[in-house]
Amino acid sequence: DIQMTQSPSSLSASVGNRVTITCRANQNIRNYLNWYQQTPGKAPKLLIYAATTLHSGVPSRFSGGGSGTDFTLTISSLQPEDFATYYCRQTYSTPVTFGGGTKVEVK
Amino acid sequence: QVQLQESGPGLVKPSETLSLTCTVSGGFISSYYWTWIRQSPGRGLEWIGYIYYGGSTNITPSLRSRASMSIDTSKKQFSLILSSVTAADTAVYYCARVGAYCTGDCSQPPDHDAFDIWGQGTMVTVSS
Repeated sequence: DIQMTQSPSSLSASVGNRVTITCRANQNIRNYLNWYQQTPGKAPKLLIYAATTLHSGVPSRFSGGGSGTDFTLTISSLQPEDFATYYCRQTYSTPVTFGGGTKVEVK
Repeated sequence: QVQLQESGPGLVKPSETLSLTCTVSGGFISSYYWTWIRQSPGRGLEWIGYIYYGGSTNITPSLRSRASMSIDTSKKQFSLILSSVTAADTAVYYCARVGAYCTGDCSQPPDHDAFDIWGQGTMVTVSS
């Protein structure tokens, strides 16, 4: 199975801050990576697919980067609705695996 | 727009069988893969498996001996059955659509997928 490791597991930030979350795969997954956002009590929402492509309707302050084994999710200017937990997911092979999540909290 | 809704019992006894159904509304069930994911309280996301509208399945190895999936295209529903449940199966269970996406040369078949539409989730507790 491909292991996905996210860092940090949590971070504190303020509205307007630039935030970057990292996801690392234990083998080359090219650009086969999604990012999801989950708020408490809700289902995850798709943000990014193919490592860098923004899903329809997702604000442009979100961006994805990387390929191979190292990936990033960046929020350029954190908004109040962005305080949530973020998960990466590799789509390179089954079984599907997710990262452990990064919780973005209010500083 | 397409919406998914999970249904099933909220409480299951240990060693019994869990059965959940996902109903698709506002769109087609055909031509897509569909999936189940679960999330234990306070924990991350665990993929359970895929089912194609034609009925083929791909279930994660750790659950393959206990899990099965089925689909009824006429009812626009797909289902998860998990046998011999234990407390470790207590979780929120989500169904989702597997969207297919192309990047770059979209004259070729899509080569990326993403869980693009999710149900709201249903909490299942395993307890006597």
